[in-house]
Amino acid sequence: SYELTQPLSVSVALGQTARITCGGNNIGSKNVHWYQQKPGQAPVLVIYRDSNRPSGIPERFSGSNSGNTATLTISRAQAGDEADYYCQVWDSSTAVFGGGTKLTVL
Amino acid sequence: QLQLQESGPGLVKPSETLSLTCTVSGGSISSSSYYWGWIRQPPGKGLEWIGSIYYSGSTYYNPSLKSRVTISVDTSKNQFSLKLSSVTAADTAVYYCARQILYYDIGYGAFDIWGQGTMVTVSS
Repeated sequence: SYELTQPLSVSVALGQTARITCGGNNIGSKNVHWYQQKPGQAPVLVIYRDSNRPSGIPERFSGSNSGNTATLTISRAQAGDEADYYCQVWDSSTAVFGGGTKLTVL
Repeated sequence: QLQLQESGPGLVKPSETLSLTCTVSGGSISSSSYYWGWIRQPPGKGLEWIGSIYYSGSTYYNPSLKSRVTISVDTSKNQFSLKLSSVTAADTAVYYCARQILYYDIGYGAFDIWGQGTMVTVSS
């Protein structure tokens, strides 16, 4: 089965740029979606199809996908960005989620 | 604005069947542009997709759960439901329902709208 690998945690200084990676075999050939989940809340879609932002998501959130790594980039990180982030793809009609990355804003 | 709301028992005994319903409001479940999915999250752990259904009744499931899962849809009530049989403590989780985009070019897409989730505990 297809696997997605994310770092357990990423730290970023307030106002700096955070990058959260999602690794998978030839993930560049797939469409990657990213979700933000704050404690006690449901996940929220922040990036779809590699690099598209849903309505209401700040431009500070961006995504890229190439080769074996997809990346979620959060520019000018704010305290409110502190959350768990999950990547997700479809493989053989099965939705696969990464293990999640906890983003800490210092 | 479209909203999803999960409902069902919060406590299920081991070996019994977990049953949840997701009610869709503010829009029609019969849209040709979406599937409707169930995702769960054990306490302190990550997300796991359970399965999805189209308004026509077409379903597909996570292979790891397929033998125990049934998802159905009731378009007259704008609801879809989950049944998970032979539950164990490992099935204790927050269960979410979500709308899943269906793209004309790539097929299955992102889960763009989620319910608030409902905690289900498996215990005697």
